[in-house]
Formats: sequence, C-alpha cells, structure tokens
Amino acid sequence: KAGVTQTPRYLIKTRGQQVTLSCSPISGHRSVSWYQQTPGQGLQFLFEYFSETQRNKGNFPGRFSGRQFSNSRSEMNVSTLELGDSALYLCASSSVGGRDYEQFFGPGTRLTVL
Amino acid sequence: LAKTTQPISMDSYEGQEVNITCSHNNIATNDYITWYQQFPSQGPRFIIQGYKTKVTNEVASLFIPADRKSSTLSLPRVSLSDTAVYYCLVGPRNRDDKIIFGKGTRLHILP
Repeated sequence: KAGVTQTPRYLIKTRGQQVTLSCSPISGHRSVSWYQQTPGQGLQFLFEYFSETQRNKGNFPGRFSGRQFSNSRSEMNVSTLELGDSALYLCASSSVGGRDYEQFFGPGTRLTVL
Repeated sequence: LAKTTQPISMDSYEGQEVNITCSHNNIATNDYITWYQQFPSQGPRFIIQGYKTKVTNEVASLFIPADRKSSTLSLPRVSLSDTAVYYCLVGPRNRDDKIIFGKGTRLHILP
C-alpha cells in the first residue's frame, strides 16, 4: 500500500506570494492533518480534515487555509507569505475512522520564503 | 489533553539499551500512551502504543506502571540509526481533539 505523498517536496517563494501544497493520504484513510515544523517552535498542528470537513484547527492566522476533496486528497494554502513561514510542512493521514493516534506522515514539503 | 514531560535530550552508545521516560501525571482513565520517532527532515513515525503494563513490538517496548502517571520507552541495543527525536503523546484512543506533539526527546547515539 502506498504511503502518504506530498508535492512538491521543495519550494522557494518570495514574501507576499502565495503557495499551495498537496497531500495524498494512504488509500482508504479519510483523515488528513497538517503540521508546520520549525527549529524554534517544533511540530505545530495546523488543521485536520475528515470527510471534506475541517474537524480541528490550530492557532495559526487566517493566511493558512486548507481543504479536502472527495477522494480525501488535501491541499493547504498559505497566502501573503512571510519569512517566518519558512518551514517543513507535514501531512499525516489516519485510518478510516480517523480518530486513532496512529498517524502516517508524508515526507513533507520544505518551504523557503525569501 | 494530558500534559507530558520528557527529557530534552539524551546521549547513549551503540549496543546499549536506552530508556526514555515520559511523565503524565494527569492522565485520564481512557487515555492511551503513544510514542513517535522522527528522523531529521522526515515526518514522525508511529512506534508503539499502550494502556497499561508492558507492550512490546519489533522496534521497542513500552513499560507503564500501575498508576500510569509515567511511561518508559525502551529501545534495545541501539545503533547510530536510532538517533532521532522521540515524542510521547497521551490521549484517548478514540480522540475528538487534535494531536499535539511536545518538544520530544532528542536522542543521540554515539559510536
């Protein structure tokens, strides 16, 4: 069974631009969560989607948004990029029920904002 | 969500057994204890989960005392490739809330 895939793997943007990251969960998984990881703040929860609905949300500004499609694939968007948005963005999927603590993470997208 | 406390970092040598302890004094009756491992520039990987006593799989063992206020992840005969950050999480198996990762324990294995 294929794992969680994220595209692109690396991205370089400039301040003020916007970016869209994509995540394909493991087949059959309906829950997708997004995390931002930086050296200073560690792994921080952004939001979780389950069956196309946002189920939980972290403490990030409205510039960070996401969505989930009917095939459970998910995208996150960051508008008006700031230097501090440079980070590794990780996506994780959970089982069909989507409530397990066992999450399966993708390799991440490394975003650099110049 | 139960708050967890782990050592920030640990060093050990190849071939040794490593034990990482996590404190979770306010663990709830229906909470489980879950450990993740993260290598640099990769996403975390689920290692093991338990509720009480001892759980063992091909990677690690998890020891949970009767009062469940702490737990210990045990890695047998570590190698250099076990150098990673280890996260302890506590919460209900059938969770309703988001998963929160703490700072974790940075384990450094020396040759």
